[in-house]
Parts: sequence; C-alpha cells; structure tokens
Amino acid sequence: DAKTTQPTSMDCAEGRAANLPCNHSTISGNEYVYWYRQIHSQGPQYIIHGLKNNETNEMASLIITEDRKSSTLILPHATLRDTAVYYCIVRAPYSGGGADGLTFGKGTHLIIQP
Amino acid sequence: DADVTQTPRNRITKTGKRIMLECSQTKGHDRMYWYRQDPGLGLRLIYYSFDVKDINKGEISDGYSVSRQAQAKFSLSLESAIPNQTALYFCATSDFAGEVNTGELFFGEGSRLTVL
Repeated sequence: DAKTTQPTSMDCAEGRAANLPCNHSTISGNEYVYWYRQIHSQGPQYIIHGLKNNETNEMASLIITEDRKSSTLILPHATLRDTAVYYCIVRAPYSGGGADGLTFGKGTHLIIQP
Repeated sequence: DADVTQTPRNRITKTGKRIMLECSQTKGHDRMYWYRQDPGLGLRLIYYSFDVKDINKGEISDGYSVSRQAQAKFSLSLESAIPNQTALYFCATSDFAGEVNTGELFFGEGSRLTVL
C-alpha cells in the first residue's frame, strides 16, 4: 500500500470549512483513497473513499488531484463534534490473496475551535 | 444495539494471566479483524479472518492468538499477558462485495486492557 503524509494537527473555527490535506505521491493506479476518523478513543468511523473522481456524501467531500498524488477531505461546516483524528489511507481493493485490512498511520488531529 | 460489540470494555489484569477479548457482530460480514492502538499511534493489525476456517496473521501477531467460533464471533487471546500489551484493542468487520472489497471497515467501541 502507498504511504500517506498528513499534518500532525490542524485547527478550524466552528462553522467554517475544514480542509484536511493528504499526500500520497506513490499511489498506484488501482489504489483507492479512504478517509476515516476517530473521536477520542472510540472506534474509527468510515467517512468517504474515492479512486480518481471527486466524491461527496452526507459527511464530507473528497477532492483528488488529477495526478492522484494528493487529496483533500472537506468538512463543509465544521462543528465541535468534528474534533477527532482523521486518517487518510491508500489501498487497493482486496480481491483475493495477500494481506487484508487497512493500515492506519498517525493521522491529523483536527481541533474545532468555538 | 451496536453492530459490532466488544467485551469486556475495560480490563485490568496482572502479568502472566490469560486474557480473552471477545467480539460479536450482527452485520453478517464474513471478514473480521483485531487491531491494537497504543497512545498517540495509529492502529496496527493483529489478526484477521476471512471466514470460520481462514485465519491470518497481521502486522503484530506475536503474543496473541485468535479463534473464529462462528461467522459472528471472533476472539482475541493473550495466553500470558505482559505489560507492553497494555493498549486499546479494536475489533472490526468488513463485507466482501463480490470480487472486490471496497475496504470499508466497521469498528467496535474498543476494549481497554491494562496489564500490571
């Protein structure tokens, strides 16, 4: 799986858009970008994933650059409850053989300020 | 009720004791995983199982064993606990969607284990 690089921490004002960057310059053509978050020692929660097109769901938007070497997770209107560690993970879909499971790095600690 | 349930949620034990952490799921997923998280670090994969007869070692399996008693149940055992196994343990499940697993994991709330 390709390695990802994320800032250790970020602040964002409540009500503003939170933009979390992730670099994955060694991503392969069949690898997806996944985002999870973990709120204070709870189990990680899936947010969104994508391959090359931008994606949006009820929680967030995922913007992937054209060369796919970086991406940005956008929380459009951050609330205090969005304070969490956000993990960017790159991995090919598992389709038989080899290791399974996602690899979680240290992520970005996003702090939403009131 | 939670889809992925872990018991116990908290446990304090002594060095050398045998400990079992249990995980049960109601999502009907074939794949189950055990992860470990140490303070300030990401999650590391201990073991994973594709079905009842298929168990695989993850990144840090030494000192641990697992049992997949049924599709819905996956237990993690520490045969002789040691202090550096003090950590937060997570169970997770995922669905094998045809030929491609999209990679979405569903996690339990965690089991905090302290080994004195």
